[in-house]
Amino acid sequence: EVQLVETGGSLVQPGKSLKLTCATSGFTFSNAWMHWVRQSPEKQLEWVAQIKAKSNNYATYYAESVKGRFTISRDDSKSSVYLQMNSLKEEDTAIYYCTWILRGYWGQGVMVTVSS
Amino acid sequence: DIQMTQSPSFLSASVGDRVTINCKASQNINKYLNWYQQKLGEAPKRLIYNTNNLQTGIPSRFSGSGSGTDYTLTISSLQPEDFATYFCLQHNSLYTFGAGTKLELK
Repeated sequence: EVQLVETGGSLVQPGKSLKLTCATSGFTFSNAWMHWVRQSPEKQLEWVAQIKAKSNNYATYYAESVKGRFTISRDDSKSSVYLQMNSLKEEDTAIYYCTWILRGYWGQGVMVTVSS
Repeated sequence: DIQMTQSPSFLSASVGDRVTINCKASQNINKYLNWYQQKLGEAPKRLIYNTNNLQTGIPSRFSGSGSGTDYTLTISSLQPEDFATYFCLQHNSLYTFGAGTKLELK
């Protein structure tokens, strides 16, 4: 059974940093292109970042809204993908989902609240 | 960047109705269009991938069509469990979601 489990969500002040983790199981993680997608309190979904596989040189891509502030990474030995979020803004408040878009698998999501 | 315009934003319908939801891309997305269903408190669930391919386990009353810039999700006969919010996602050039359609019971 494919599972994606996100952890690391929290309440954080503007300007601070936070790192999300997505632990996966049930599939060959090393071959999968992984993504982070977020959903605002207004329920709008926004693609955040993608990381490709080793065979694609771990290429990364970002939404303009997070470029330069967020970093996606992966550890194939742990079947995990990460999202390092720096210089957080109130508009980054959302549920963050880890997802394998190609095969349609999503985690349950983790809440990040940016507020003073 | 590709923009996705989803319509309608809200749809009121009855059990047994046939409903359609549309997504229009700002440029040709070569049928790289997925549809998702989301219920309150849950992650999105993929229904259709690449325009018209039904995800395993999804009932056949869901279908997708389209090409170029215009795509449609059709539910042939609404069931009580289908009242939810639906999103489209283009994955031809990076990734863009539609704004969603909330399907409510009339």
